[in-house]
Amino acid sequence: SYELTQPPSVSVSPGQTASITCSGDKLGEKYASWYQQKSGQSPVLAIYEDSKRPSGIPERFSASNSGNTATLTISGTQAMDEADYYCQAWDSNTVVFGGGTKLTV
Amino acid sequence: QVQLQESGPGLVKPSETLSLTCTVSGGSISSYYWNWIRQSPGKGLEWIGYIYYTGSTNYNPSLKSRVTISVDTSKNHFSLKLRSVTAADTAVYFCARAYSSSSSGCFDPWGQGTLVTVSS
Repeated sequence: SYELTQPPSVSVSPGQTASITCSGDKLGEKYASWYQQKSGQSPVLAIYEDSKRPSGIPERFSASNSGNTATLTISGTQAMDEADYYCQAWDSNTVVFGGGTKLTV
Repeated sequence: QVQLQESGPGLVKPSETLSLTCTVSGGSISSYYWNWIRQSPGKGLEWIGYIYYTGSTNYNPSLKSRVTISVDTSKNHFSLKLRSVTAADTAVYFCARAYSSSSSGCFDPWGQGTLVTVSS
């Protein structure tokens, strides 16, 4: 079955840039989405179709997807961005989530 | 805007059937793909399956033999049944909307989630 691999944790200082990767076989040939889940809350869609931001998501959130890796980038990271982040893609008509990355600010 | 709310028992006995309902408010269920996703305590997200308002379904192969998702458009809600549960099915269960069932499909919005514990 298809797998998406994320680093368990990423740390960043306030104001710096955080990058979270998501790896999967030929992931760049699929669409990747990203979700933010703050402690005790439901996930929120942060990025869809590789790099599009839903309304309400700050411009400091951006993303790309190429080759085997999708990357979520948070520029000027703020304390409020501390959360778990999950990537997601479809494979063979099935939804796959990455294992999640805990971002510590 | 559309809001989703899960409801159902918070405790289910082993070998019995877990039953949850997701009520959609602020919009019609008669479009889009309606999904169930779960998250075991301290773990990641696992997609369970979806139903389209017409009744067509698609399930995670790992759960397919035990899962049924149904929809009631007159009540604007859809439901999950998971049979023969074990402690491994203890999780927070979320419902979520998807605009598509294809490669571009993503989940937005999500319900607040409901914790279901499997225990005797």
